Amino acid sequence: DTGVSQDPRHKITKRGQNVTFRCDPISEHNRLYWYRQTLGQGPEFLTYFQNEAQLEKSRLLSDRFSAERPKGSFSTLEIQRTEQGDSAMYLCASSPLSGALNTGELFFGEGSRLTVL
Amino acid sequence: SQKIEQNSEALNIQEGKTATLTCNYTNYSPAYLQWYRQDPGRGPVFLLLIRENEKEKRKERLKVTFDTTLKQSLFHITASQPADSATYLCALDLTGGGNKLTFGTGTQLKVEL
Repeated sequence: DTGVSQDPRHKITKRGQNVTFRCDPISEHNRLYWYRQTLGQGPEFLTYFQNEAQLEKSRLLSDRFSAERPKGSFSTLEIQRTEQGDSAMYLCASSPLSGALNTGELFFGEGSRLTVL
Repeated sequence: SQKIEQNSEALNIQEGKTATLTCNYTNYSPAYLQWYRQDPGRGPVFLLLIRENEKEKRKERLKVTFDTTLKQSLFHITASQPADSATYLCALDLTGGGNKLTFGTGTQLKVEL
């Protein structure tokens, strides 16, 4: 078990460009979450998947943001036409479904830091 | 409005002392409350979870209390060490199903020799 993996760890882009982040959750985890964290703040929920179904999206997730988890395994988060306000750490987390395996905790990756110039 | 408040100023303590961090919330009724540790540039790491019907939970040098009447959780680290220096985040799980967490802003702890 290698934990939650995110790629890339750092991305610098120019305003208006599109960026995509990838998250590989812990293999037996059905749930996958995306959070955004800016400096000095706690993580803010963006969206979550149960298997391949996207079950909830935050109002923070504007039309420029889209997340997918096509086969219920890895997930991608795409930001189109990036703005300077999108600069943040994008965190992915996973957890098992309710049951014996579910202690309620989230297992976070190391994050993808986005800087929009 | 709904708020989760943690000490905004960094907490500096001496090695060996007990660190106490506070998490206050308003207009929430969480089923669970969790504490995470976050080091600079890293993702949060889970420490402890406490349920609404539990008053106290312990794990090694860590202790969490949960007072749903006061709407407050206290997080204690006993015999603190420089390696405990990090930001500590409290998070509310409103449904108990682990669907999503609502995080506070975190408190930075510095343990000095």
